[in-house]
Amino acid sequence: NAGVTQTPKFQVLKTGQSMTLQCAQDMNHNSMYWYRQDPGMGLRLIYYSASEGTTDKGEVPNGYNVSRLNKREFSLRLESAAPSQTSVYFCASRNRPMWTQYFGPGTRLLVL
Amino acid sequence: RKEVEQDPGPFNVPEGATVAFNCTYSNSASQSFFWYRQDCRKEPKLLMSVYSSGNEDGRFTAQLNRASQYISLLIRDSKLSDSATYLCVVNESPQGGSEKLVFGKGTKLTVNP
Repeated sequence: NAGVTQTPKFQVLKTGQSMTLQCAQDMNHNSMYWYRQDPGMGLRLIYYSASEGTTDKGEVPNGYNVSRLNKREFSLRLESAAPSQTSVYFCASRNRPMWTQYFGPGTRLLVL
Repeated sequence: RKEVEQDPGPFNVPEGATVAFNCTYSNSASQSFFWYRQDCRKEPKLLMSVYSSGNEDGRFTAQLNRASQYISLLIRDSKLSDSATYLCVVNESPQGGSEKLVFGKGTKLTVNP
């Protein structure tokens, strides 16, 4: 099992450009999450999906959209990137009712 | 008051030392607690869950004090490979309907030869 995979690993965008970060898990988990991690801020939840077909906002959803394409895949879209969105983005999944979350390797995004 | 607070460190200790990390949480209804480990430029990984009675996994011991809303992690006989950032993690609410884990900002540990 690959666990949680994320693409791309690195990305540089110009302000105003759009992109989609991809996440997939092969553990048959029902819940999936997107976090961003900034120096001194810790991990902050952007959006989550408790199950296929549902999504909910987390702590910092502004500027992002998500799609739970199927049980395996959960994508994060930046419609118009801003320098404040420069960060490391982690996708995670868990199998309810267990609380343990499993993380992907992250996507490092630089917005110029 | 922040939901999960940790001493950011950094902690610099020699090999073989014992080091303790502390964490406080604000939601008294929380019932699930964890320590995650994050290596530099890597993803967080579960180190251990924290149970009410306290639990041990090799050189690692986790304790929970519900009355004080306090969690601790003790590492004995530190190894160079223990160098990482340790994240204290708490679930937002014990009941169904909340999916969220709240992460502390982490405590950085460096074990020196």
